[in-house]
Amino acid sequence: AQSVTQLDSHVSVSEGTPVLLRCNYSSSYSPSLFWYVQHPNKGLQLLLKYTSAATLVKGINGFEAEFKKSETSFHLTKPSAHMSDAAEYFCVVSGSGNTGKLIFGQGTTLQVKP
Amino acid sequence: NAGVTQTPKFRVLKTGQSMTLLCAQDMNHEYMYWYRQDPGMGLRLIHYSVGEGTTAKGEVPDGYNVSRLKKQNFLLGLESAAPSQTSVYFCASSYPGTKGQYFGPGTRLTVT
Repeated sequence: AQSVTQLDSHVSVSEGTPVLLRCNYSSSYSPSLFWYVQHPNKGLQLLLKYTSAATLVKGINGFEAEFKKSETSFHLTKPSAHMSDAAEYFCVVSGSGNTGKLIFGQGTTLQVKP
Repeated sequence: NAGVTQTPKFRVLKTGQSMTLLCAQDMNHEYMYWYRQDPGMGLRLIHYSVGEGTTAKGEVPDGYNVSRLKKQNFLLGLESAAPSQTSVYFCASSYPGTKGQYFGPGTRLTVT
C-alpha cells in the first residue's frame, strides 16, 4: 500500500532563509509524487510533480524537490523564504491502479517570520 | 476557463438534514474526486469517478452518496447530516493517469 509521511507538522523560518519541508513515502511500485500548497481559506494548488523523469523537479515560486529512491524521500526546498510562502504544504503520492487517486500526507504548516 | 468550481461555499445544517454539494469542471477531465479535510488529517478521499455514469468508494465513503450524470459535474450528497460530517469539502478533477489533480476552492460545512 502507498503512504506518505510528512516529518514536521510545523516549520518556522525567517524571511530570506532557506526552507526545507521533509517527506518520506512508501510505495510498492515507482510512484508519482507531488507537492501541493494551500493558502489560508483557499483551495490546493499544485507546486510541482515527479513522474519518473528527472529526479530534481522544479516547481512554481522557486520551489524544488528531489526524488531520492534509496531514501524514499521527496523533500521540498526553497533557497530563500518569502512572507507569501506562509501556507500549508502537502506531500502526495499516487495511489495504485489507473484511477488517478492521490494519498495525502498530514500537511506541514510553514510559518515565515519577518 | 473557470477550472473547478464548487457550490455552495458555506453551509450550516442541522443534524438529520440533507444537502447536495455541486462540483463542476470545464477542463473536459475524465476523473473527478470528492475529499474532506479535517485538521491534522490531510485530505481523505470520499468517493471518486473515472467517467460519466461511474462512481466508486474512497477511503471514507460512509454517510455520503455521489452521482456523475454529466461528465462535467460531480455531486456529493449527505442524506442525513451528522456533526461528524462538519468539515471542508474539496472537489478535484484530472485526466487519466498520474499527472495530478486540479482542486476547487472548497465548501465549508458545519453540522450542528
